[in-house]
Amino acid sequence: DTGVSQDPRHKITKRGQNVTFRCDPISEHNRLYWYRQTLGQGPEFLTYFQNEAQLEKSRLLSDRFSAERPKGSFSTLEIQRTEQGDSAMYLCASSLAPGGRGVEQFFGPGTRLTVL
Amino acid sequence: LAKTTQPISMDSYEGQEVNITCSHNNIATNDYITWYQQFPSQGPRFIIQGYKTKVTNEVASLFIPADRKSSTLSLPRVSLSDTAVYYCLVGDINPGANNLFFGTGTRLTVIP
Repeated sequence: DTGVSQDPRHKITKRGQNVTFRCDPISEHNRLYWYRQTLGQGPEFLTYFQNEAQLEKSRLLSDRFSAERPKGSFSTLEIQRTEQGDSAMYLCASSLAPGGRGVEQFFGPGTRLTVL
Repeated sequence: LAKTTQPISMDSYEGQEVNITCSHNNIATNDYITWYQQFPSQGPRFIIQGYKTKVTNEVASLFIPADRKSSTLSLPRVSLSDTAVYYCLVGDINPGANNLFFGTGTRLTVIP
């Protein structure tokens, strides 16, 4: 399967714990995106990478959140000192850098985080 | 100011054509219009993208008037499996918060 994969699919943690999610993009895609989605809302952009460089971070990405993409392949999103408000679906997407047209993103299945 | 405005929800009977309109009065010259579909507990899936006039693929058609201030996603002969949330995005080729705004989308319910 050559789609975007995310691990784990579900994570339950206690408030104050740290969690880390992984995203494996489509292999030839050089852009990788992280989103957060809460119930009834659309995905909210968090950050994106082009290759290994993190080029933009949303104001939603507090200092408890950190994302990495070493070697421009898979990416990790870590949340430190989780809070109940962090409970959400965390989505990863990947795309090719565009060649003069809009960008189609391919999304993974998401990681559902529940903070107790 | 929201970049796009869509109806919150729509209902349709199976077999009918469904048209979902998105308003984007402040669309910029370099902006494209992209529609995604999302089923519960899944990531969004790209449906169609256009810049002007009409675009058609095997899944849907996208109609964009000359002023580009709105666009209409047309789903022919919907089935129960088309029940989903549909998002309209407007943005240029550069990623980032400004161009990747999903909003709340339109929840389409197909009725038998």
